[in-house]
Amino acid sequence: DIQMTQSPSSLSASVGDRVTITCRATQSISDKLSWYQQRPGKAPKLLIFAASSLESGVPSRFSGSGSGTDFTLTISSLQPEDFAIYYCQQSFSTSYTFGQGTKLEIK
Amino acid sequence: EVQLVESGGGLIQPGGSLRLSCAASGLTVTANYMSWVRQPPGKGLEWVSVIYSGGTTFYADSVKGRFTISRDRSKNTLFLQMDSLRVDDTAVYFCARVRPAAGDFDHWGQGTLVTISS
Repeated sequence: DIQMTQSPSSLSASVGDRVTITCRATQSISDKLSWYQQRPGKAPKLLIFAASSLESGVPSRFSGSGSGTDFTLTISSLQPEDFAIYYCQQSFSTSYTFGQGTKLEIK
Repeated sequence: EVQLVESGGGLIQPGGSLRLSCAASGLTVTANYMSWVRQPPGKGLEWVSVIYSGGTTFYADSVKGRFTISRDRSKNTLFLQMDSLRVDDTAVYFCARVRPAAGDFDHWGQGTLVTISS
């Protein structure tokens, strides 16, 4: 099975900061990588699909890059509503594995 | 507007069974790829199962042989039949629509809590 590892597991940052979260797959998954945001008590929300495509309605400060095994999610200028948990997910195989999550906290 | 509404969660003893439902509006369940994802309290997301529009199904190893995904065209509803439940099946269960091209999960329900405890 394909395993997904995110780093860091947690991150403290300030409003206006630029932050990057990394996701690594145990084998090549081409561009079959999505990113989700989850706020407390809420369902996950799709941010990025196909590694770098911005989902409709998602602010342009979110961007994704990468292919193969290494991927990044970047938030260019953090806003208060961005403090949440972020997950990557592979869809190359039918195990649809999620990363363990990265908790983004206010510094 | 797409809406997915889960129901059927609750408290049940180990070894018991439960059937979750996900009622859809704004999309046709049988024409889409649909999935279940769960989240144990305070933990991360775990993919559980998917059913493709043609009826093919896949399961996580942790639930294979115990859970069954299905759908009802007339009710436009997705189901998850959960048997031989274990304490570690305790989680919020979400249903989601899967877009086939990229395999992303673009619409999610609000989730239903399943608690397995004696």
